[in-house]
Amino acid sequence: EPEVTQTPSHQVTQMGQEVILRCVPISNHLYFYWYRQILGQKVEFLVSFYNNEISEKSEIFDDQFSVERPDGSNFTLKIRSTKLEDSAMYFCASNRASEKLFFGSGTQLSVL
Amino acid sequence: AQSVTQLDSQVPVFEEAPVELRCNYSSSVSVYLFWYVQYPNQGLQLLLKYLSGSTLVKGINGFEAEFNKSQTSFHLRKPSVHISDTAEYFCAVSDWIKAAGNKLTFGGGTRVLVKP
Repeated sequence: EPEVTQTPSHQVTQMGQEVILRCVPISNHLYFYWYRQILGQKVEFLVSFYNNEISEKSEIFDDQFSVERPDGSNFTLKIRSTKLEDSAMYFCASNRASEKLFFGSGTQLSVL
Repeated sequence: AQSVTQLDSQVPVFEEAPVELRCNYSSSVSVYLFWYVQYPNQGLQLLLKYLSGSTLVKGINGFEAEFNKSQTSFHLRKPSVHISDTAEYFCAVSDWIKAAGNKLTFGGGTRVLVKP
């Protein structure tokens, strides 16, 4: 079965630094998403992306966050100036419309 | 807005015993319902989904779930578990008006530990 791949699997950064989390969605998918899970809490929706623009975002997705599809295969999440509370597992997902989401295995972000 | 409650954070169960994971949701609109599983060090994988039709839904790995609209529940069951079913299980909903599978609201997860 095709997979969504995420790199790196673990990222450690200092507070205030910028981080970019990378994802390669499944090649014929059109919708792309980022979710995150803070340790011990629920998986939360961050943002959805379609046709090269954000289609929906949550309250969590403030000006510190941005997403980009820089080429035909990658989908990135940038956190401009990381905070301690950004420490979480970040999941990328993709699908075609109205079909199941395919999730990547996640990037564990630790902000020190 | 929707919310999902998984009543049990952990469920220990012996191998070959049945298991039921409870999920209740609330929503002001009709929803689609999903169960995802996360094995250690892996991503979320869809077990099954309810979109419409029969309220009893069968999924992969012998799991099934029943949608109960009056009780706003979508409990997951398996009649006989294996060691390999040790994982975390997430119930989720998406807004029927928007699209199935897009923008999921998750429950807090239930960790299933299957003991020999």
